Amino acid sequence: AQSVTQPDIHITVSEGASLELRCNYSYGATPYLFWYVQSPGQGLQLLLKYFSGDTLVQGIKGFEAEFKRSQSSFNLRKPSVHWSDAAEYFCAVAVATGRRALTFGSGTRLQVQP
Amino acid sequence: GAVVSQHPSRVICKSGTSVKIECRSLDFQATTMFWYRQFPKQSLMLMATSNEGSKATYEQGVEKDKFLINHASLTLSTLTVTSAHPEDSSFYICSASEWAGVGQETQYFGPGTRLLVL
Repeated sequence: AQSVTQPDIHITVSEGASLELRCNYSYGATPYLFWYVQSPGQGLQLLLKYFSGDTLVQGIKGFEAEFKRSQSSFNLRKPSVHWSDAAEYFCAVAVATGRRALTFGSGTRLQVQP
Repeated sequence: GAVVSQHPSRVICKSGTSVKIECRSLDFQATTMFWYRQFPKQSLMLMATSNEGSKATYEQGVEKDKFLINHASLTLSTLTVTSAHPEDSSFYICSASEWAGVGQETQYFGPGTRLLVL
């Protein structure tokens, strides 16, 4: 079965600094990968997704992620963080056949210091 | 596009009553919807997969008689928590699957429903 690991439970960065959130997956074939963001008490908003093709994907709000098959990783990056980026970030994986539901990582809580 | 709504956003009920939560895909048709449960400061746990026109598929450990799911149309799925108890208090989130071809499926999430059972 597939699994997702987000090693960092909590990250604090200064506003304007760069950001990288780590995500590692375990799955035998090429997975479909997603990053979602959740503000407190809210649902999840899709930031970006990777299905195939270019391994560097661009998302909304200035985020990007790079799929690295050799490292089984799909890290999320942003060159300059804004205070409004403070939220919980979830990496998720889906498989091509069979179970289509998403498997989520445990999430990374981002705090942004002024 | 790809907007999913949930209603109600928050509900408080007495122990023993039933609560119905609606999940709607507003601008696309979703043959499949998913129901997740999220405990405070935790990730989302899949409860069940809801398929339009057929019975839902429940995850191991989820009581199907407790959490009734109906997917009556391509834009609506409902989750009914029957005879709710305080331990059912949680944040319930639905997602609707937008299918754009093989290997091109994206889930869009509703805003969630906060259930508090007294």
